Amino acid sequence: EADIYQTPRYLVIGTGKKITLECSQTMGHDKMYWYQQDPGMELHLIHYSYGVNSTEKGDLSSESTVSRIRTEHFPLTLESARPSHTSQYLCASSERTGKEYNEQFFGPGTRLTVL
Amino acid sequence: AQRVTQPEKLLSVFKGAPVELKCNYSYSGSPELFWYVQYSRQRLQLLLRHISRESIKGFTADLNKGETSFHLKKPFAQEEDSAMYYCALSALGAQKLVFGQGTRLTINP
Repeated sequence: EADIYQTPRYLVIGTGKKITLECSQTMGHDKMYWYQQDPGMELHLIHYSYGVNSTEKGDLSSESTVSRIRTEHFPLTLESARPSHTSQYLCASSERTGKEYNEQFFGPGTRLTVL
Repeated sequence: AQRVTQPEKLLSVFKGAPVELKCNYSYSGSPELFWYVQYSRQRLQLLLRHISRESIKGFTADLNKGETSFHLKKPFAQEEDSAMYYCALSALGAQKLVFGQGTRLTINP
């Protein structure tokens, strides 16, 4: 079934640890996105990719990094987690066509807590 | 810079009453506006977009460029409309979204 997956769904980790949040989609989409959302606040775009080997920083500065080696996979990595990274991280994907805008489909999110 | 403002963090109305969720935007170019919705324990999903000019689940939204607004309206609220609603903007051709802070809508029986 075509879907977008995020693992883990919840992660509690200590300061200084390296973490990778996984995002995979089986929708055949070229574009993928990472958003950060603090409780009760808006979603902020932190990274996006228009295809393999393409990654760009979003509107909100983030210490995380991303990679896009395969079309379906867009992992986000924090080399050294800090309490300020505590947040929800949402992954999304959309088609790449000639249309001006395509609907973004969201994953279930990863809620990260750094102690 | 693009900015989306949803002035109400919380909105509570009774079932059967009209509901209006406000959204104002700031953008100098031609925007594309959207409403996304997140029901309890579900994912964020697209509700409607201004270019479609359609009604989804009884909701409509009209883009008012003069007032730079894109308010979401429904004449008769239903309990299943309780959810978190986000207004979002995309600059023409940008393929990126800027979200508002969201409004939590609660429909009371």
